[in-house]
Amino acid sequence: GQNIDQPTEMTATEGAIVQINCTYQTSGFNGLFWYQQHAGEAPTFLSYNVLDGLEEKGRFSSFLSRSKGYSYLLLKELQMKDSASYLCAALDSNYQLIWGAGTKLIIKP
Amino acid sequence: GAVVSQHPSRVICKSGTSVKIECRSLDFQATTMFWYRQFPKKSLMLMATSNEGSKATYEQGVEKDKFLINHASLTLSTLTVTSAHPEDSSFYICSARASEYEQYFGPGTRLTVT
Repeated sequence: GQNIDQPTEMTATEGAIVQINCTYQTSGFNGLFWYQQHAGEAPTFLSYNVLDGLEEKGRFSSFLSRSKGYSYLLLKELQMKDSASYLCAALDSNYQLIWGAGTKLIIKP
Repeated sequence: GAVVSQHPSRVICKSGTSVKIECRSLDFQATTMFWYRQFPKKSLMLMATSNEGSKATYEQGVEKDKFLINHASLTLSTLTVTSAHPEDSSFYICSARASEYEQYFGPGTRLTVT
């Protein structure tokens, strides 16, 4: 079956760094997405990885290892507005997104 | 990025009535749109895949006679919740596929059935 695993909740301090991990098992693989979702809002796109390695985009970076079925989202210089749920989603062989349950990130002052 | 609109953003209806939600891709054509449902503190649950000009493909456990989907044009898909009940209260989100690797989300519709 297809499965995406990510931690349910994480807590970090303002100004610090946090890494949110995601492991996936899918029928075929066409890339890994990370989305941010604030409460009551739709998800917004953060990153897309299809090749192994690290993609950096400002304070956010995303890493992929296809051989390990593993990705992480790295958030630096955390701000209070980064408090949100972070959704990991893998694109399977049918180009359909398989969603993780999301990681709720709580930022404390 | 591309823009997807969803209307209405919030709707309250009485039990037994039907509600229609529209999803529009504003600056691109989408042959495929997706309808998701999200319960509080849960991830997105794919309900159905809407293909322009053909019948929608429903996920297992989703009643196609209750959740009617129409994708009559390349920029519009509609979801009609028929004979709504309180358990249908949820956050409904659509997305539109711009390419195999690009999917853009609408802002969501909060449905409350009283």
